[in-house]
Amino acid sequence: QKEVEQDPGPLSVPEGAIVSLNCTYSNSAFQYFMWYRQYSRKGPELLMYTYSSGNKEDGRFTAQVDKSSKYISLFIRDSQPSDSATYLCAMSAMGSASKIIFGSGTRLSIRP
Amino acid sequence: GAVVSQHPSRVICKSGTSVKIECRSLDFQATTMFWYRQFPKQSLMLMATSNEGSKATYEQGVEKDKFLINHASLTLSTLTVTSAHPEDSSFYICSARDHSGDEQFFGPGTRLTVL
Repeated sequence: QKEVEQDPGPLSVPEGAIVSLNCTYSNSAFQYFMWYRQYSRKGPELLMYTYSSGNKEDGRFTAQVDKSSKYISLFIRDSQPSDSATYLCAMSAMGSASKIIFGSGTRLSIRP
Repeated sequence: GAVVSQHPSRVICKSGTSVKIECRSLDFQATTMFWYRQFPKQSLMLMATSNEGSKATYEQGVEKDKFLINHASLTLSTLTVTSAHPEDSSFYICSARDHSGDEQFFGPGTRLTVL
């Protein structure tokens, strides 16, 4: 079993829709949760990060963490064609020596 | 935010040759740098972790004699793919972290094609 599971998609939605991306994990030591966006042939770009359970909002993006269920989500409101990319969840235990473990990424396409 | 650069962005080489990829942190000192490999439509797989001035720690299954990592300064790490083979063709991405936080800043990646 992988430490981090993510549906690879692809996921295609119309412009303006709300997008929900999800990951589950098995390691209860993970305390730091991140979402990265990666455009084709580019390095990943950090979108959001959070340490705690609950919701964190940044503009059209909301990250949600449920540690009791080992489940994290990223919601994108009012999706735009420019949001089309691969979204990777990632997580690590606390501490500077901790490795980041990535999900496999979900390919998202926003149709105009 | 912090900026990490990689050079070259794309390289094509012949089988059997060696290729060096540079990773630089431009506006902060990176006490730790990470090297990842990403195959098409797959996630990032950590290859090794390097701390400035010490030997790199390689992940299981990564050959340290094939993928030479040098972290000679707080702003530069290099990855050398030795005796490259076509199966080494991949997207290589570095990231850097300073001493203060858990966040890693990623470079733009280097696409290696071995003919």
